[in-house]
Amino acid sequence: DQQVKQNSPSLSVQEGRISILNCDYTNSMFDYFLWYKKYPAEGPTFLISISSIKDKNEDGRFTVFLNKSAKHLSLHIVPSQPGDSAVYFCAASATSNTGKLIFGQGTTLQVKP
Amino acid sequence: NAGVTQTPKFRVLKTGQSMTLLCAQDMNHEYMYWYRQDPGMGLRLIHYSVGEGTTAKGEVPDGYNVSRLKKQNFLLGLESAAPSQTSVYFCASSYAPGRGAYEQYFGPGTRLTVT
Repeated sequence: DQQVKQNSPSLSVQEGRISILNCDYTNSMFDYFLWYKKYPAEGPTFLISISSIKDKNEDGRFTVFLNKSAKHLSLHIVPSQPGDSAVYFCAASATSNTGKLIFGQGTTLQVKP
Repeated sequence: NAGVTQTPKFRVLKTGQSMTLLCAQDMNHEYMYWYRQDPGMGLRLIHYSVGEGTTAKGEVPDGYNVSRLKKQNFLLGLESAAPSQTSVYFCASSYAPGRGAYEQYFGPGTRLTVT
């Protein structure tokens, strides 16, 4: 049972345009969501997060939107840069004392110059 | 600060051999985690620890054991390696939820091949 799904394995955009990466979840107990970025041969690095009490969080070129009724979140990158080319994972957590994250399968973003 | 480090970076094992992966963090994090990453499956939690001397099972614990004898170290053991354990293994650490709001810091990974 995949509780966090990223249905697009890959995405290709032109430099300067907007990249939109999507993520769906099924567990209504999830109340915190994160996006991680991963380059080849490196570990994932934290990018941006959002609490379920918000519907938007912005950090520079990165904005995460949360639609709780649709159980959907998205990551917008504007403008996209070639250095953004990486695998992006969304992750979700439910309030607990374990801090466990449930990850999606990942989406490979390619930004073409 | 080195952050989260993992030893070794690469390893090839024969079926039935054993090995231990070492994870160390210097951020004084309470929580530590071991994940495996396989193509098309994201990261799956193997075991985790919420403090020194404690461990718990994650989503895919079978075939693995862990120990957290010191707060800064988290060891992952394979007693009898199987080809299905060929994967990339990531260690992560975090503050207890409420301080760092679930953000986990990852090591660079260990690529393990079992033949």
